[in-house]
Amino acid sequence: AAGVIQSPRHLIKEKRETATLKCYPIPRHDTVYWYQQGPGQDPQFLISFYEKMQSDKGSIPDRFSAQQFSDYHSELNMSSLELGDSALYFCASSLGGRETQYFGPGTRLLVL
Amino acid sequence: GDSVTQMEGPVTLSEEAFLTINCTYTATGYPSLFWYVQYPGEGLQLLLKATKADDKGSNKGFEATYRKETTSFHLEKGSVQVSDSAVYFCALSDRDGATNKLIFGTGTLLAVQP
Repeated sequence: AAGVIQSPRHLIKEKRETATLKCYPIPRHDTVYWYQQGPGQDPQFLISFYEKMQSDKGSIPDRFSAQQFSDYHSELNMSSLELGDSALYFCASSLGGRETQYFGPGTRLLVL
Repeated sequence: GDSVTQMEGPVTLSEEAFLTINCTYTATGYPSLFWYVQYPGEGLQLLLKATKADDKGSNKGFEATYRKETTSFHLEKGSVQVSDSAVYFCALSDRDGATNKLIFGTGTLLAVQP
């Protein structure tokens, strides 16, 4: 079965640079969620989209923005990167905003 | 706000031992409860879920029962294998919003020795 696709899988950036992470949900899924998992930490909810509209916002820094496109894929844009942004970024998708979330493999971001 | 508390790890067991990982939650309302597993270097995989009180989720020999009276969702397996070594996350769905964002516990590392 098709799963959530995230790209890139690994990314290395310098401080103050920008990064764009992409997420392709499971076909027919209309809801996308972004989570951040720091080293040794539990995943923290950042933001979600339902039917291409921002739905809920968690602990997402103002330097980050995200959107969901007409084909339901989503992009997380991160600017003025800081060392503390180094983490594993997960995207999850669901069919409807109330259903079970299925996670992608994550993008590992390292900020030097 | 809603929260999840998991027993701290690491949990080290011998193959074929019985596993229990404790999970309790605090929530307003009636959340769904989940166990996710993360194998080394990989993403989160849904292991099992329960959506209402007294529901039992099960998968691959793992089980957990949604206990409203004790606000618990303990994970159990009768006989663990080396391949079960991973980090296990208990989570609840926070329904305060249009979408169900997940709130995770801190994760429990399970190491199974041959």
